[in-house]
Amino acid sequence: QSVLTQPPSASGTPGQRVSISCSGSSSNIGSNTVNWFQQLPGTAPKLLIYGTQNQRPSGVPDRFSGSKSGTSASLAISGLQSEDEADYYCAAWDDSLNSYVFGTGTQVSV
Amino acid sequence: EVQLAESGGGLVQPGRSLRLSCTASGFTFVDYAMTWVRQAPGKGLEWVGFIRSTAYGGTAEYAASVKDRFTISRDDSKSIAYLQMNSLKTEDTAVYYCSRNPSGFFPDVGVYWGPGTLVTVSS
Repeated sequence: QSVLTQPPSASGTPGQRVSISCSGSSSNIGSNTVNWFQQLPGTAPKLLIYGTQNQRPSGVPDRFSGSKSGTSASLAISGLQSEDEADYYCAAWDDSLNSYVFGTGTQVSV
Repeated sequence: EVQLAESGGGLVQPGRSLRLSCTASGFTFVDYAMTWVRQAPGKGLEWVGFIRSTAYGGTAEYAASVKDRFTISRDDSKSIAYLQMNSLKTEDTAVYYCSRNPSGFFPDVGVYWGPGTLVTVSS
């Protein structure tokens, strides 16, 4: 099982704001940057948020934002749209495991 | 345009071997580390491992679940990263993705991914 824990599901209506949590430890989130990925059914994951400043790659709408506090991180989706229905994963390097770890994943329904 | 394409997947019996390839184009392959990630049917993402660029020794790191069975290598002359999978188990059944890291050294998964190739381990 993953060392990064996410809620299995989240939902909202169009236009609402949804937040997804990612709980880790001092060896991963507490000491390394957190990435967030979106995965639509049958497709490869897409990087949404990365880096120490929670940056977005080119083309990712600013409706997506990330934050981190201590050993937890969050992804917020504002102005929820139907195309945001997907699975979302947090990820970070774990210094103790010497391994990159993904969160358990959260399915977002709109 | 950066493009990644995995190949080599298919049906294989438990205990046998398989080699996956990740063919890259649209960027200077030698400058970047490359990562393999897998996803079992209906399950979440699992990091398999990555290989640093040759400038940083071309060394690889692996997840505990595949260490000593899987080997990642690279051929910079062909812009291909490989995933050699030995002693395959049924639990290795998954879609395998390759991804280009943002740099040549750090184990950070980035923007560019291939479409994936399915590996099914079954008798």
